[in-house]
Amino acid sequence: GAGVSQSPRYKVAKRGQDVALRCDPISGHVSLFWYQQALGQGPEFLTYFQNEAQLDKSGLPSDRFFAERPEGSVSTLKIQRTQQEDSAVYLCASSLIWMGGPNEQFFGPGTRLTVL
Amino acid sequence: KNQVEQSPQSLIILEGKNCTLQCNYTVSPFSNLRWYKQDTGRGPVSLTIMTFSENTKSNGRYTATLDADTKQSSLHITASQLSDSASYICVVSRDDKIIFGKGTRLHILP
Repeated sequence: GAGVSQSPRYKVAKRGQDVALRCDPISGHVSLFWYQQALGQGPEFLTYFQNEAQLDKSGLPSDRFFAERPEGSVSTLKIQRTQQEDSAVYLCASSLIWMGGPNEQFFGPGTRLTVL
Repeated sequence: KNQVEQSPQSLIILEGKNCTLQCNYTVSPFSNLRWYKQDTGRGPVSLTIMTFSENTKSNGRYTATLDADTKQSSLHITASQLSDSASYICVVSRDDKIIFGKGTRLHILP
């Protein structure tokens, strides 16, 4: 079976542009996570979905960041009016059940966003 | 202060040698602790998952230990290989939060 996929793998945007990053989780996985990873750093939590419900968006750095998962499967992370500080790798992960359980998170390859 | 601290920040060792990476955490209440390996340009891949009651878990040449009393974990890599060059990330979970360490960057030299 396929793992978590993300598209595009690379995105270059001019400052001020809007971008949309897509995540296809493993089929049947309830939980979906978005992370932001700056160069040389560990992933930083952005937001968490359980099915279609966004249960935690405390990590979104500003109201320019918006995530959705309308049918409980594919998720999109949208960044409006991109800024240079948004340049990072955006990782998506999914897991079979709920956040706190000892179940494995499977990560996608990430989307590397560069804002010029 | 990060709730999950890893050391060293980076490490260089010769192929075939052993090494140990450290993770100290202050996350409470504790649900589980995971070690991930992240190759350059790829997403993290799980190596081990340990709950409160487990104090050691092995995955091939990787052995993780957990001391829940002192809130410390270590990842021991035996007989390192060039393919072990990667970042190793410690992740601690509560029921409502997952907190990542910044990782240890490991370089294996031939």
